[in-house]
Amino acid sequence: NAGVTQTPKFQVLKTGQSMTLQCAQDMNHNSMYWYRQDPGMGLRLIYYSASEGTTDKGEVPNGYNVSRLNKREFSLRLESAAPSQTSVYFCASSLTVIQFFGPGTRLTVL
Amino acid sequence: GESVGLHLPTLSVQEGDNSIINCAYSNSASDYFIWYKQESGKGPQFIIDIRSNMDKRQGQRVTVLLNKTVKHLSLQIAATQPGDSAVYFCAENPGNQFYFGTGTSLTVIP
Repeated sequence: NAGVTQTPKFQVLKTGQSMTLQCAQDMNHNSMYWYRQDPGMGLRLIYYSASEGTTDKGEVPNGYNVSRLNKREFSLRLESAAPSQTSVYFCASSLTVIQFFGPGTRLTVL
Repeated sequence: GESVGLHLPTLSVQEGDNSIINCAYSNSASDYFIWYKQESGKGPQFIIDIRSNMDKRQGQRVTVLLNKTVKHLSLQIAATQPGDSAVYFCAENPGNQFYFGTGTSLTVIP
């Protein structure tokens, strides 16, 4: 039982490049989330998916897209990366209100 | 967005002493609160939760207190151990998503 896994662990992009962050959970949770964490700030919700086939915007969705591929997988895409998107990205999943987090992806945009 | 703040950004305690981490929340409609622990380089990990119809909840070595009158939440850790060194976040849920505080860094001095 791996819990929530994220790939890659680290990534460096140039401004304007695109990439997809992958997230998978093996706990059969219905809900999945993407957060970003910046120094001096709490976790901020980018997008979430309450169930397979649905996605909703969170607090800071601009510049991102998501896909709930199936119940296990929820990906986050940056179409044209900007330096302001330099951050640590966390994926989480939940069955009830308690969220279980992955180890994070540290993204740097130059 | 919500404003969830912590009174002290850093806290140092001697091993074996009790720790108290405080959190102020802004939305009186929040009906659920969670404390998370985040160790360096890892994702947040659930510690304990409390609903708004309670004012105290105890877990193993941890106690959460909720004062709705002043919109204040605290996490008490008994007999603090070196493994408790981490950043602690509170999170509130006034609706369909959680809002996280900026975190308090707890350092345990051996």
